[in-house]
Formats: sequence, C-alpha cells, structure tokens
Amino acid sequence: ETGVTQSPTHLIKTRGQQVTLRCSSQSGHNTVSWYQQALGQGPQFIFQYYREEENGRGNFPPRFSGLQFPNYSSELNVNALELDDSALYLCASSLEGYGYTFGSGTRLTVV
Amino acid sequence: TQLLEQSPQFLSIQEGENLTVYCNSSSVFSSLQWYRQEPGEGPVLLVTVVTGGEVKKLKRLTFQFGDARKDSSLHITAAQPGDTGLYLCAGDETNAGKSTFGDGTTLTVKP
Repeated sequence: ETGVTQSPTHLIKTRGQQVTLRCSSQSGHNTVSWYQQALGQGPQFIFQYYREEENGRGNFPPRFSGLQFPNYSSELNVNALELDDSALYLCASSLEGYGYTFGSGTRLTVV
Repeated sequence: TQLLEQSPQFLSIQEGENLTVYCNSSSVFSSLQWYRQEPGEGPVLLVTVVTGGEVKKLKRLTFQFGDARKDSSLHITAAQPGDTGLYLCAGDETNAGKSTFGDGTTLTVKP
C-alpha cells in the first residue's frame, strides 16, 4: 500500500503571496488532517476533512483553508502569507480517524 | 484548549541505558498516541492506547496509559543509537476530530 505523499517538499514564498500544498492520502483512508509544525515544537492542528467535509478546526485564521476531493486527496491553501507561517506543514490520513499516517511534510519558508 | 506537557524536553544517554519519558495533561483523552519523528520526516505512529491503565509493549518500548486517561509514559529498555529521535505524544478528544500534540522529547542515544 502507498503511504501519504505531500508536494512540494520545499517551497519559498514572499510575504503576502498565496500558497497551495497538496496531499495524497494513503490508499483506503477517508480522513485527512493538516498540521503546522514550527521548529522545536510539536505539530499544531489546522483542520481535518472527513469525506470531503471539514470535521474540526484548530486556532488558525480563515486565510488557512482546505479542500478534500472525492479520491480523498487534499489541499491546504494559505492566503496573505506572513513570516510566521514559515514551518513544516504535515498531512496525515486515517480511516475513520484512527491510526494516522503522516507524510514527510512540506517545508514552507516565507521571506 | 487541551494541553499536553512532555518531559523531559531533552534527554541524552549512553547506549544500553534505560529511560522513561512522560506525557501529562489535566484533560481526559479518549485515546493517546506516541510517535517518533526524525529530522525532515513526518511523525511515525508507534502505538495507540485507549483504555485507562493499559500497558502495551513494542520490543524494547513499553507504553502505559494512566488510569484516568490523562497521562502516559514511554519506557525504553537498553536504548540503542537507532532510538534517537523526537518522541511525540498526541491525545484525541472524543468527537473533536483532532489530535493535540505535545512539544516532544528529543532523545539522543550515544554509542
């Protein structure tokens, strides 16, 4: 079975720009969660999608938005990028919310 | 906001030593996971504990969930350099659709 694949692996953006990060979930998984991990910290929950509907959201502003597609792949969109948005963005998929499998993440740098 | 506190934050030991790391919260979780994360990679799930008082063993690793489901510990016997990494605990809230992570314990095992 394939694992969770995230793209791109690294990205550099300028403050104020918009970015789209992509995640292909593990085969058979219907739930996708996105996390932001700053250097030296644990992952912080952004939001979760279950069968294409948002199923929970953390303390992130509305400029963080997402989508889940019928094949359960997902996108994270961030508008009006700020310097503090620089972090490792992790996607994790699971079946019905149990036993998350994480991707290797996208390292976003905002300059 | 549910918080998970992990201790110690950093731990450096010699190969062959035993160690215990802790994960504590004032909140009750429906389940708790332990992950290991290596630099540049996403967290890898080690175990999920669900029942208060539950003990699970994975080779040299022993995981315990507190009776009240608020805390957990990870004990490693005869640590090896390959155990080096960031150990994260994460708690799931019932029907919340998210996992709350601690900031992790960075373990270094010296040969």
